[in-house]
Amino acid sequence: QVQLVQSGAEVEKPGASVKVSCKASGYTFTSYYMHWVRQAPGHGLEWMGMINPSAGSTRYAENFQGRVTMTWDTSTSTVYVELSSLRSEDTAVYYCARVALGPFWHLDLWGRGTLVSVSS
Amino acid sequence: QSALTQPASVSGSPGQSITISCTGGNRDVATYNLVSWYQHHPGKAPKLMIYEVTKRPSGISNRFSGSKSGNTASLTISGLQAEDEADYYCCSYASSSSLVFGGGTKLTVL
Repeated sequence: QVQLVQSGAEVEKPGASVKVSCKASGYTFTSYYMHWVRQAPGHGLEWMGMINPSAGSTRYAENFQGRVTMTWDTSTSTVYVELSSLRSEDTAVYYCARVALGPFWHLDLWGRGTLVSVSS
Repeated sequence: QSALTQPASVSGSPGQSITISCTGGNRDVATYNLVSWYQHHPGKAPKLMIYEVTKRPSGISNRFSGSKSGNTASLTISGLQAEDEADYYCCSYASSSSLVFGGGTKLTVL
């Protein structure tokens, strides 16, 4: 079954870091980019960045430069996003979503999301 | 990167058609035919409905269609059904290899 399975909800304190995972199955992991998108309560979707597991390259949105790190593990078909220096505004549902390698920029498969709550 | 502009809400009765607009600029919608639309039911994973302005993924009803004129893309849903009630987001490729989303539109089926 083609799917993206994300890790469970996290609760973190301000200033801490959080790492969310996204495990791909049912397709060739290295044939797709993986993007991360988040949705804060009452807000729309916000693009965070992307990783190319085949080339090992990443591209981060300007708003997250310096605070976000995206990594991958080909052996387990898993990608990770780590966000540091957390603040209350980072409370959101974090989604992973794939895009086929090539001149494509549509997210054709999404995970169900991981809620990250930042609170003292 | 500024978000694309969508109306906050639209509504329609079953069987009617509605259109959701998505306005961007020269760095995104106006320059690239890489606009996609996503349906999002709260608590569920977003779902791709339209990509590359007008294309429908396999399994998506032909009641959903997309178009673009200048810096504004549009999603039209015809023959509205109760199950179409959801949030809809547009998304565009933007210069420097990035994506930008719209603020989202809540569709209410009356």
